[in-house]
This record gives sequence, structure tokens and C-alpha cells, in this order.
Amino acid sequence: RKEVEQDPGPFNVPEGATVAFNCTYSNSASQSFFWYRQDCRKEPKLLMSVYSSGNEDGRFTAQLNRASQYISLLIRDSKLSDSATYLCVAILSGTYKYIFGTGTRLKVLA
Amino acid sequence: GAGVSQSPSNKVTEKGKDVELRCDPISGHTALYWYRQSLGQGLEFLIYFQGNSAPDKSGLPSDRFSAERTGGSVSTLTIQRTQQEDSAVYLCASGPGGRHEQFFGPGTRLTVL
Repeated sequence: RKEVEQDPGPFNVPEGATVAFNCTYSNSASQSFFWYRQDCRKEPKLLMSVYSSGNEDGRFTAQLNRASQYISLLIRDSKLSDSATYLCVAILSGTYKYIFGTGTRLKVLA
Repeated sequence: GAGVSQSPSNKVTEKGKDVELRCDPISGHTALYWYRQSLGQGLEFLIYFQGNSAPDKSGLPSDRFSAERTGGSVSTLTIQRTQQEDSAVYLCASGPGGRHEQFFGPGTRLTVL
């Protein structure tokens, strides 16, 4: 079992739709979590950190469910420019090793 | 300010040759990571440097892979006797240390013929 797992997609959604991705992690000692965005043939860039209480940044909301060991990303009012691959990241407690998921591909259609 | 830079941007080599990939982190960043990303795959952790501490080499796939970080700044990833399966994009990232955000360079696309 992979340490961090994501549905690869693609998720094809119309503009304006709300879409949610989940990411599961296998090690309960994972402590810190992030969502990164990666455009085709580009480097990943931080989208947002994920806090225990959940956090929101504009149209993006991240949640952490420690009991079920998953994090989620919700995108409201999808834009064409949101089309990208979304990578979730977990860091094990006591380490500085960032474990990336393989990414979920999102296509927002006009 | 300047971001993370990597060179070369593309490298084509023949099987069995050695290659060196360079990473210039953001000035002042104490943490530096190397990752490998194969086509359609996620990021595979290779090695992590933090300040003057011994690097975490647990992700290096074989003894053909090695990395150095000189003076706590520039890092070089060396792959000896390259194999076709080494073909991938090699990404470097730096950060302020701890469990904070990483900033990625544009990557080096390595093709082994």
C-alpha cells in the first residue's frame, strides 16, 4: 500500500462546478499536510497547507480527518485555469521527508 | 527574488555515461531536497539536506546515485553509469527548514538513450 494515495482522475467538470478530491495516508503518525498544484510539464507549487481545524483560501477549502486518515480539497466555482494536477503531501512525525501522492488530474471544461 | 534554479534544463545521455545535475537553492534556505518524477508518476523522494546535518539518503534508488551540497548552498546530484530507467525529470526544492513549504526548481529532464 502506498503511503499517500490519490484517485488519479481525470475529473472532468464544467466551469462553475464544485469538485472535491480526497487523499488518504497510511501512517497515522503523519503530522503535516499540504496540497500542491502542478501544471503540465511544470514544477509543483504550493496551493495551501492543511490545518487540523480546516482552512479556506478563496475558492479552495482544505480539511483534515485524522480519524479516517485523509485530507480533502474542495474547489468551488471552478475556473478553466484550475485545470492541473493536484498533489497531496504528508510529512511523518519526527521526519522531514515529504511524501507526495501521485496526483489527481482536474480538467475544467468550458 | 530569485527562485530555485536547476541546470541543465534538459540532458540527453547515452546509457553507461555519468551525469551531474545542479541545483541552486533560494538564498538562506537551509533545507534542500531532490526528487525524481517519471512520466505520469508522482514525486519520488531521493535525498534531503538540512543545514550541516547528515543528509537523509533513504530515497536514493541505488549506489549509482549520490548527491552533495557544498557550503550549505549549491547541490549536485550525480548518477553514474546511467540506465534507461533513470530517464525522468529530476526536481530540486529548497525551504526554510522544518515542515514548511518547499519551493521547487523547474527541473532537469534527463533522457538516457
